[in-house]
Amino acid sequence: EPEVTQTPSHQVTQMGQEVILRCVPISNHLYFYWYRQILGQKVEFLVSFYNNEISEKSEIFDDQFSVERPDGSNFTLKIRSTKLEDSAMYFCASTRAEGQLDQPQHFGDGTRLSIL
Amino acid sequence: SQQGEEDPQALSIQEGENATMNCSYKTSINNLQWYRQNSGRGLVHLILIRSNEREKHSGRLRVTLDTSKKSSSLLITASRAADTASYFCATDHEGYSSASKIIFGSGTRLSIRP
Repeated sequence: EPEVTQTPSHQVTQMGQEVILRCVPISNHLYFYWYRQILGQKVEFLVSFYNNEISEKSEIFDDQFSVERPDGSNFTLKIRSTKLEDSAMYFCASTRAEGQLDQPQHFGDGTRLSIL
Repeated sequence: SQQGEEDPQALSIQEGENATMNCSYKTSINNLQWYRQNSGRGLVHLILIRSNEREKHSGRLRVTLDTSKKSSSLLITASRAADTASYFCATDHEGYSSASKIIFGSGTRLSIRP
């Protein structure tokens, strides 16, 4: 069964550095998402992306964050000038839905981001 | 804001017993989903129930939805050690014309004792 894949599985970065988290969504999917989960807390929505532009973003997704689909397969989350509180698991998800409201989101295994 | 909240927060049962987890949410939805998360891993989609459905089955899973009470339950029958995980409900937002974000609850941590 097709999967969403994320790399790296663990990223350790010095505070203030930029980090890029990578995702390869399922190939025929059209909507892409980033979520994060701080240790022991809820999974929180960050941003959704469709047709090469952001569809929706949360309050967390401020100017420090950006997303890009640089080619036909990758979907990236860039975090500029990382802060300690950015330490979390970051999950990518995708869904096939095209105007359909009953398609599940398929998640990758996540990237554990540790800011030192 | 729209939110799914699970109850109980933690549940420990004997292998072979049934496990029931509940979820409540605040606003109208198009559908509700249940996900499982093994420790340190990603979220695995279990089942989706639409707002016009009342019950759905998938293997040992049974999900109910009561839109009048804005609540859902997930029943896992004949539990196994491998069912040990956290379980989350997630809701979308009624009226969205395209696939929208989903809002996760805080989860139920299920432990199956051998």
